Amino acid sequence: GDSVTQMEGPVTLSEEAFLTINCTYTATGYPSLFWYVQYPGEGLQLLLKATKADDKGSNKGFEATYRKETTSFHLEKGSVQVSDSAVYFCARSKGNNRLAFGKGNQVVVIP
Amino acid sequence: DTGVSQDPRHKITKRGQNVTFRCDPISEHNRLYWYRQTLGQGPEFLTYFQNEAQLEKSRLLSDRFSAERPKGSFSTLEIQRTEQGDSAMYLCASSSGGQGVFYEQYFGPGTRLTVT
Repeated sequence: GDSVTQMEGPVTLSEEAFLTINCTYTATGYPSLFWYVQYPGEGLQLLLKATKADDKGSNKGFEATYRKETTSFHLEKGSVQVSDSAVYFCARSKGNNRLAFGKGNQVVVIP
Repeated sequence: DTGVSQDPRHKITKRGQNVTFRCDPISEHNRLYWYRQTLGQGPEFLTYFQNEAQLEKSRLLSDRFSAERPKGSFSTLEIQRTEQGDSAMYLCASSSGGQGVFYEQYFGPGTRLTVT
């Protein structure tokens, strides 16, 4: 089965709006959790991570909290900018040698 | 810049041809990974190396695929007798490595393969 599930469909919002992208993971073991971002024409960049329950990862105004009770790692940003337009991938570690990714969400921020 | 580099960035080939991609990891990283990303999907794990040893291969890596890391530095991924279904972005990543700890993986820009 899928290891990481992201909400369906692209996300379109206006500049300065609040962004949430949902992510849930299968609760096997004690994975590390990650959000990666892929800007147009570029490779994957690590945005933030959390390695244990209740940890909060944060970077560039984005935050995500490792919720073991709901097996979730939702990404949030309080006020998005046009430059945040990208594809966002949630991922979990599998063992200590691979990542399992969600399908990604295209985020489009309109001025 | 000493990030992960991949070559070529784009490759167009005809069905049945062989292709080879190269990845140069971050120099101090002993682990190297290959992933494949198809349109609208997240990356999927193919294989990984610790130094020159290939330690794990996904079921996605059919017999037509072979990866090497001969000196524990750069790696090559070869696809023989390409099929249209091989069209994808091939991503390389590298990390430090050790027992029982998951190390952050750094990704290259990818090689986009189109099989016509």
